[in-house]
Amino acid sequence: DAGVIQSPRHEVTEMGQEVTLRCKPISGHDYLFWYRQTMMRGLELLIYFNNNVPIDDSGMPEDRFSAKMPNASFSTLKIQPSEPRDSAVYFCASSLGRDRGLDEQFFGPGTRLTVL
Amino acid sequence: AQKVTQAQTEISVVEKEDVTLDCVYETRDTTYYLFWYKQPPSGELVFLIRRNSFDEQNEISGRYSWNFQKSTSSFNFTITASQVVDSAVYFCALQINFGNEKLTFGTGTRLTIIP
Repeated sequence: DAGVIQSPRHEVTEMGQEVTLRCKPISGHDYLFWYRQTMMRGLELLIYFNNNVPIDDSGMPEDRFSAKMPNASFSTLKIQPSEPRDSAVYFCASSLGRDRGLDEQFFGPGTRLTVL
Repeated sequence: AQKVTQAQTEISVVEKEDVTLDCVYETRDTTYYLFWYKQPPSGELVFLIRRNSFDEQNEISGRYSWNFQKSTSSFNFTITASQVVDSAVYFCALQINFGNEKLTFGTGTRLTIIP
C-alpha cells in the first residue's frame, strides 16, 4: 500500500513568492493533518481535517497560510507571500479515524521548504 | 493544556547496550493516548506504538519495550541490545479525546548508537 505522498520533497523559493505544498493521504483515511517541524519550535500542528472539513486551524501561524482539502485524496498547504521564517520541514499525516481520529497517524516524507 | 516533556536531549550509548528514553506527560483528561515515533536521519516519522490511558500493561515488541505508569505520568521507552540502526530522534506524543485529535509532541531525544 502506498503511504502518505507529499510533493515536492524540496522547495527553494525567494521571499514573497507563493508556495504550494501537496499531500495525498492514505486511501480510506478520514483524517488529514499538516505539521511543521523547526529546530526552534519542534513539531507543531498547523491544521487538521476530518472528512475534508477543517476542524482545527488554530496552529496556522497567520493569514499568509491557508490549507484546503477539496476531496478525500488531496490537500494543499499554501503560503502567500512566503518569508524566510517559514523555512521548515512540513509534514502531512493521515489516520484512519476508526476511533475518532485517535488512531496512529502515518506521516509522509515531508517537504523541506527553504525561503531565501 | 497538554504537555509532553522529554528531558533527555541527546543520549549516546555503545552498541548492544540497553537504553531507556524518558517521557513525562501532563493532561487533565482521563482518556488520552500516548505515542512514540522514530525519526531516522532520512527524516520521515515512523510510528512505533500507541497506548490508551486505560491500558497500563507494559508492551514488548522485539527489542523494544514500553513502560506506562499513570501514577508518575510517564511512558518510557527501552531499547534492548541497541543497534546502530536505532540511531534516530525519538518523539513521545500525547493525544486527548473529545474532539481534539491533534498530537502534542515532546521535543525529542536524539539517540546515537556508537558502533
